[in-house]
Amino acid sequence: QKEVEQDPGPLSVPEGAIVSLNCTYSNSAFQYFMWYRQYSRKGPELLMYTYSSGNKEDGRFTAQVDKSSKYISLFIRDSQPSDSATYLCATLRRDSWGKFQFGAGTQVVVTP
Amino acid sequence: DTGVSQDPRHKITKRGQNVTFRCDPISEHNRLYWYRQTLGQGPEFLTYFQNEAQLEKSRLLSDRFSAERPKGSFSTLEIQRTEQGDSAMYLCASSLVSPSGNTIYFGEGSWLTVV
Repeated sequence: QKEVEQDPGPLSVPEGAIVSLNCTYSNSAFQYFMWYRQYSRKGPELLMYTYSSGNKEDGRFTAQVDKSSKYISLFIRDSQPSDSATYLCATLRRDSWGKFQFGAGTQVVVTP
Repeated sequence: DTGVSQDPRHKITKRGQNVTFRCDPISEHNRLYWYRQTLGQGPEFLTYFQNEAQLEKSRLLSDRFSAERPKGSFSTLEIQRTEQGDSAMYLCASSLVSPSGNTIYFGEGSWLTVV
């Protein structure tokens, strides 16, 4: 079983809708949580970073972490066709600074 | 462009040949990482450096793989005697270790196709 699980999708939504993405993780030692966006054949681009339970907002993006449930979410409001990409969650253990664990990514398609 | 730079972006090689990828991190970042990503999967950790010291290596990094960061700046990843299973995107990333966090920033990747 992978340490970080993520539904591969694809997730198709109409333009303007809210995109809801989530990941679960198995190891309570994970302390840091990130969301990356990856366009086809490009490197991942950091969207959000958090290290505590609760919500963090940045523009149209909201990241949510629930450490008690080992559940992390990303919400994208007012979705645009340019948001069509693969979204990767990532976690990091405090005692293994270099070794980020990634989910497999969820493909999102926003239709005009 | 002050981001992470990788070269070459694409490489097609015959099985059994050696290939080398170069990564130039963000200039003030002291940590440098190599990851591998195959289609439909998230990046998988290979190794990372803090300055010139290689601090951790994944079991994915067989003895055909070697990474160096000789002066604590750019890094190279060499794959010897390539196999078809080595076909993947090799991602380099860098970060600055600070009390506030440890986020990493990726380059655009180097695509390897072994034929």
